[in-house]
Amino acid sequence: SAVISQKPSRDICQRGTSLTIQCQVDSQVTMMFWYRQQPGQSLTLIATANQGSEATYESGFVIDKFPISRPNLTFSTLTVSNMSPEDSSIYLCSVGDGGGQPQHFGDGTRLSIL
Amino acid sequence: SQKIEQNSEALNIQEGKTATLTCNYTNYSPAYLQWYRQDPGRGPVFLLLIRENEKEKRKERLKVTFDTTLKQSLFHITASQPADSATYLCALDGVSGGYNKLIFGAGTRLAVHP
Repeated sequence: SAVISQKPSRDICQRGTSLTIQCQVDSQVTMMFWYRQQPGQSLTLIATANQGSEATYESGFVIDKFPISRPNLTFSTLTVSNMSPEDSSIYLCSVGDGGGQPQHFGDGTRLSIL
Repeated sequence: SQKIEQNSEALNIQEGKTATLTCNYTNYSPAYLQWYRQDPGRGPVFLLLIRENEKEKRKERLKVTFDTTLKQSLFHITASQPADSATYLCALDGVSGGYNKLIFGAGTRLAVHP
């Protein structure tokens, strides 16, 4: 299965700033996904990163707050913009074939906002 | 409303016993149901997928059942070991926002004691 590397693994940021999280895959993949996981809660899909087109965002998530890039089939970034303490969470990227098929995850970025 | 429910209380069992975790869902008609393992500080790792027309699936010490009438899946670990201690997530392919996506439960933490 694909090996997924996420950077940074953790960060502590000041409110009002932005952080870009990188997700690198060791092979070309069709679909990349970004999730948020808050303590004790389920993974919530933020968006699907599409190569060559805009990301598809889930209800409650907007491009201005979570801009996503997908320049090629092995790389994607998620930016958390204008951060507030409510954005403190774990952000995970994953890859898969979509349509409810199994996904493979990176180890996540643990983000704390002061 | 659509829900996926896993027991939020941790499951504590003795080494060697069988652990049984439950996943119930409401207002979904999944074609697949999946189970993942998540260790602290790591991303979820895919374990097993069972299709709607399969009653049971096995992989080594793992067994998954899928009852579409009861809208329930059971996940069993036989001869459990302390190394099996982790959070186990169920996920199903659900239609939300007009297309199929993977939707996760919040997980159940399993602690296997020597």
